[in-house]
Amino acid sequence: GQNIDQPTEMTATEGAIVQINCTYQTSGFNGLFWYQQHAGEAPTFLSYNVLDGLEEKGRFSSFLSRSKGYSYLLLKELQMKDSASYLCAAMDSNYQLIWGAGTKLIIKP
Amino acid sequence: TAGITQAPTSQILAAGRSMTLRCTQDMRHNAMYWYRQDLGLGLRLIHYSNTAGTTGKGEVPDGYSVSRAITDDLPLTLASAVPSQTSVYFCASSDSSGGANTGELFFGEGSRLTVL
Repeated sequence: GQNIDQPTEMTATEGAIVQINCTYQTSGFNGLFWYQQHAGEAPTFLSYNVLDGLEEKGRFSSFLSRSKGYSYLLLKELQMKDSASYLCAAMDSNYQLIWGAGTKLIIKP
Repeated sequence: TAGITQAPTSQILAAGRSMTLRCTQDMRHNAMYWYRQDLGLGLRLIHYSNTAGTTGKGEVPDGYSVSRAITDDLPLTLASAVPSQTSVYFCASSDSSGGANTGELFFGEGSRLTVL
């Protein structure tokens, strides 16, 4: 079956760095997405990886290893506004997204 | 900029009643989707449409129907609501090309539905 695993909740300190991991198993693979979702709001796109390696975008970076079925989202210089859920989603061979349950990130001062 | 508009934002519905959740996008995206989001679960695809006039079933289609008469709209209908359909519903769209969707999803603000 198809499956996405990511931690349910993480806590980090303002100004620090946090890494949110995601492992996936899909029928075929056409890329890995990360979305941010603040409580009570819609998900918004953060990143897309289809090739192995690190993609950096400001304070946020996303890494992909296709051979390991693994990705992580790295958030640097954490700010209170980064408190949100982070959703990992893998696109299968039919170009359908398989979503993880999300990681709730709590930032403490 | 409007993007994707959903209505209503929230609704309480008696079991057995019908309900249509509305979704309109102004980005001329080919593909549109309806998801439900429940606590502890990932977003689950209900129905989708890759282009006007076509629809497809997602992971959890039972009890729901959609139609795509025009590019901009994808209404979701619950013919006879049941309590298990209590959820937050998100409409989304993406710009697909060549029949393959490799673009990001743009989400509406969600519709919170409670079925009693």
